[in-house]
Amino acid sequence: SQTIHQWPATLVQPVGSPLSLECTVEGTSNPNLYWYRQAAGRGLQLLFYSVGIGQISSEVPQNLSASRPQDRQFILSSKKLLLSDSGFYLCAWFRGFDTEAFFGQGTRLTVV
Amino acid sequence: AQSVTQPDIHITVSEGASLELRCNYSYGATPYLFWYVQSPGQGLQLLLKYFSGDTLVQGIKGFEAEFKRSQSSFNLRKPSVHWSDAAEYFCAVRGYNKLIFGAGTRLAVHP
Repeated sequence: SQTIHQWPATLVQPVGSPLSLECTVEGTSNPNLYWYRQAAGRGLQLLFYSVGIGQISSEVPQNLSASRPQDRQFILSSKKLLLSDSGFYLCAWFRGFDTEAFFGQGTRLTVV
Repeated sequence: AQSVTQPDIHITVSEGASLELRCNYSYGATPYLFWYVQSPGQGLQLLLKYFSGDTLVQGIKGFEAEFKRSQSSFNLRKPSVHWSDAAEYFCAVRGYNKLIFGAGTRLAVHP
């Protein structure tokens, strides 16, 4: 069966520090991969998605970047965190046009 | 571009009462529609989905949703709410490569 791993679960980082969140999927190949952010009291905002290795689509201009170095690995990064980067980050995947998305357990990022 | 509107930010119901959460979508083609639920601090769990066929779809935990193309709606319903249903509910529309969510509706359940 397919599983999605996302880590770390919680993270407290100072302003100006770098960020790297990792997401990996097991049990499938060539998944579409997604990063979402959920700010306090807000919905889920699509940040990035990828349909293949090295291919990244950015949905909103921001302080973050994403990379897909391997088929089942999706990384969210920042060179210098801002206070506004705080939030709950969710990784998701789906494969095939008629399937639902599956989500990781999320990373709670607090920038202080 | 696809979009989802959930008009109600917060809803409070009494336990045992019926529930309807509203969702309106915008998408140029036949939409794939979803409802997800999120408990505090957790990831998202799929409640139900609509791809095609019968416009009334049944999901887990006693939830159902009805797709109405003429109204661009996909409202979620439950005939009798349980205290454990208190959570945040998200409607989503799937386009070609994207899954776009609404802002969510936070449900509170009074005993």
